Amino acid sequence: GQNIDQPTEMTATEGAIVQINCTYQTSGFNGLFWYQQHAGEAPTFLSYNVLDGLEEKGRFSSFLSRSKGYSYLLLKELQMKDSASYLCAVMDSNYQLIWGAGTKLIIKP
Amino acid sequence: DGGITQSPKYLFRKEGQNVTLSCEQNLNHDAMYWYRQDPGQGLRLIYYSQIVNDFQKGDIAEGYSVSREKKESFPLTVTSAQKNPTAFYLCASSTGVSGANVLTFGAGSRLTVL
Repeated sequence: GQNIDQPTEMTATEGAIVQINCTYQTSGFNGLFWYQQHAGEAPTFLSYNVLDGLEEKGRFSSFLSRSKGYSYLLLKELQMKDSASYLCAVMDSNYQLIWGAGTKLIIKP
Repeated sequence: DGGITQSPKYLFRKEGQNVTLSCEQNLNHDAMYWYRQDPGQGLRLIYYSQIVNDFQKGDIAEGYSVSREKKESFPLTVTSAQKNPTAFYLCASSTGVSGANVLTFGAGSRLTVL
């Protein structure tokens, strides 16, 4: 079966750095997405990786290793507004999105 | 501003009733989707549509129905056949279904069965 694994919850301190990991086992691979979702709101797109390596976008970076079935989202200079759930999703060989359950990130002052 | 509008935001339903959730987009996107989100689980695809007058079942289509009569609109009906309909429902759209297919989501509709 197809599977996406992410930690359920993480806690970090304002101003610090946090890394949220995502491992996947899917039927084929056509890209990996990260979305941010504040409680009770719509998910919003953060990043897309289809080739190995690091993609940097401001305070957020996303890394992909296709051979290891592994990605991480790196958040720097954490702010209170970064408290949210972070969803990892992989597009399989049929261009269907497989979603992880999400990682709830709690930022403490 | 372009976006996706879902309504209602909150909905209560008695058992045995059908309810319809509205989803409208003004992004000129071809593809539209309905997802269900339950605590501790990933988003699960209910139905999707790539063009007007055509739609495909997702992973959990049983007990749901959709229509796509206009490009802008993709309503979801939760029928009485859906055994456990209490959930957060998300509508999304995109320019296509392959490649760097970034989804734009609506704000969601929370359905509670009494």
